[in-house]
Amino acid sequence: DIQMTQSPSSLSASVGDRVTITCRASQDIRNYLAWFQQKPGKAPKSLIYAASSLQSGVPSKFSGSGSGTDFTLTINNLQPEDFGTYYCQQYISYPLTFGGGTKVEIK
Amino acid sequence: QVQLQESGPGLVKPSETLSLTCDISAYSISSTFHWAWIRQPPGKGLEWIGDIWRSGTTYYNPSLNSRVTISVDTSKSQFSLTLRSVTAADTAMYYCARRLGVAGHWSFDLWGRGTLVSVSS
Repeated sequence: DIQMTQSPSSLSASVGDRVTITCRASQDIRNYLAWFQQKPGKAPKSLIYAASSLQSGVPSKFSGSGSGTDFTLTINNLQPEDFGTYYCQQYISYPLTFGGGTKVEIK
Repeated sequence: QVQLQESGPGLVKPSETLSLTCDISAYSISSTFHWAWIRQPPGKGLEWIGDIWRSGTTYYNPSLNSRVTISVDTSKSQFSLTLRSVTAADTAMYYCARRLGVAGHWSFDLWGRGTLVSVSS
C-alpha cells in the first residue's frame, strides 16, 4: 500500500496569511493526487485533483503543486471560512489511501 | 447539482451485517462515473472502503476485503455497501462518493453528507 504522510498535523495561522501543507507519498504517484477540505461535522469537499487542477467551483486561493512523491497545498489570503482539516489522497493504485490530515486553525 | 444521499440503520449489533445505500436520484448511475464508499471513525481520518466501476468491476480495501460487498442497482439509481461480521471498530461515519474521470484522473469530485453507523449491542 502507498502511505501518505502529511505535515504538519496541525497549524494555526492569522487571517490574510499564506498557508502551506505538505504531503509525501511512500512511492512515486506521478500526479495522481487529490486534496480535500473537511469542516467539523461535514463531509469532505473536493478541492484539487491531478495535484494542481482545481475542482469546479473551488476558488483560486487554493493551489496545489508537486509530482512524484512530494506535494503541497497552498491557501492564499487565509480567511475564517478556511478553517478545517485538509487531507491528501493518492489514486494511482489500489488501495486508495489518504494522508492523516492537517488541522488548520485560525488565530 | 447532483446529490448523493446515504441511508441505512444507524445502529448495528456486533457480528451482524451493516447495509447502506447511496441514492443518486436525478442522475444516471450508469453514466461515466465510478462510485465509492469511504468511512471515518469518530475523531479519525478517512479510510477508503471500495469502488464499483460502471462496468460492475469492484475493488475493495484489503483490510476489509473478505467482509465487504459493493453493488449497483441501476433500476433504483443507487448503489450499496454490505459489511459483514461488524465489530465496534466498524463504528464510523460512512460516505458515498463519486469518482469523475478527467484525462485519466479518476478523482473524488462529489461526496454524500454521510451517515453515522454505530456498532453496539
